Amino acid sequence: GAGVSQSPRYKVAKRGQDVALRCDPISGHVSLFWYQQALGQGPEFLTYFQNEAQLDKSGLPSDRFFAERPEGSVSTLKIQRTQQEDSAVYLCASSLRFQGNNHLRYFGPGTRLTVT
Amino acid sequence: SQQGEEDPQALSIQEGENATMNCSYKTSINNLQWYRQNSGRGLVHLILIRSNEREKHSGRLRVTLDTSKKSSSLLITASRAADTASYFCATATQGAQKLVFGQGTRLTINP
Repeated sequence: GAGVSQSPRYKVAKRGQDVALRCDPISGHVSLFWYQQALGQGPEFLTYFQNEAQLDKSGLPSDRFFAERPEGSVSTLKIQRTQQEDSAVYLCASSLRFQGNNHLRYFGPGTRLTVT
Repeated sequence: SQQGEEDPQALSIQEGENATMNCSYKTSINNLQWYRQNSGRGLVHLILIRSNEREKHSGRLRVTLDTSKKSSSLLITASRAADTASYFCATATQGAQKLVFGQGTRLTINP
């Protein structure tokens, strides 16, 4: 079956523009995660959903970042009034179950956002 | 901020040699996972070791975990050019769903 897909793969935005990044998790996966990966760094946690409920958004860097998963499947990460420091790869991951944290996360290829 | 520190930051070896990467972390964990990331691609899960395990093997991979020293190592034996990638350790704490990643080791295998 298909893995986690993300779109667009590449996005160039002018500073101040709003962007929306989409994640299609593996069908049936309950948990969904967003990570931000700056160049040359490891991924940093942004937010976590269990079905449609956003259970942890402690990693969102500012109120310009907003994520939703209204029907418990596809998720969108929105960044308002983009700034240069938002340039990074945004990774989405999904996981089959939510109990415990031993379950494998499957990562998508990421969206590379460049803010000019 | 990231919890893990990985060592070395970059490693370049000849094909056929073994590669060892180390990871240290700061807080008590439930498990530790290793991931590989090829350039421009997503992360691929390699192996998970639980806090009550000391060593785990998967094919050419060997992972050790020392909870007293809060450290882990990943050994890749008989390296191949296709092993060229960045390798990240990630820790999971009890009750938390998020993974905390290290900064990664960039491994280059020279043919």
